[in-house]
Amino acid sequence: EDQVTQSPEALRLQEGESSSLNCSYTVSGLRGLFWYRQDPGKGPEFLFTLYSAGEEKEKERLKATLTKKESFLHITAPKPEDSATYLCAVSSAGGTSYGKLTFGQGTILTVHP
Amino acid sequence: DGGITQSPKYLFRKEGQNVTLSCEQNLNHDAMYWYRQDPGQGLRLIYYSQIVNDFQKGDIAEGYSVSREKKESFPLTVTSAQKNPTAFYLCASSLVGRDTQYFGPGTRLTVL
Repeated sequence: EDQVTQSPEALRLQEGESSSLNCSYTVSGLRGLFWYRQDPGKGPEFLFTLYSAGEEKEKERLKATLTKKESFLHITAPKPEDSATYLCAVSSAGGTSYGKLTFGQGTILTVHP
Repeated sequence: DGGITQSPKYLFRKEGQNVTLSCEQNLNHDAMYWYRQDPGQGLRLIYYSQIVNDFQKGDIAEGYSVSREKKESFPLTVTSAQKNPTAFYLCASSLVGRDTQYFGPGTRLTVL
């Protein structure tokens, strides 16, 4: 069974204080790892898809990296508008549920001005 | 603009009632999904469909039903058999063969 664990559950930063969110996963053959941002009361917004270990993707202050066991979402010099819940998900090559994503519980990021 | 719409945004249900949540997409995606989100938990898959007139149960399908009569539409019915239906419901879609899913704005269902 695929499993995704995100840490920490909540992270409070000062504006400009860089940090990282962690996503550890266990899958039977990784097809893809996905990062989403979710604002309160809204649907998740797609950020990145990573497919293989060593891959990196960037978008503004966010950078996602992938190893064989985990992914990191690095936030450089965050601003208050980066405050949100960040979700990690994986899809696997195993099983019969083609295209199914398994989600972690999310990390709640709060950036104080 | 292409996207996914869900309606209504808020829905209130009395005990014993069935309610239907709407999901429409104009992204020309073949696959559509329904998730349930509860506080402190990850999204859990209810049903998914990869083609018109075909759908499969996800991890928590009991008490829910779906139909897929059109490519653009994937309505979810929450039946009276669902014992704890209060939650945030999210619809998503993707291209078949591409696992990246795009989400709608969600419907918050509350049982009175």
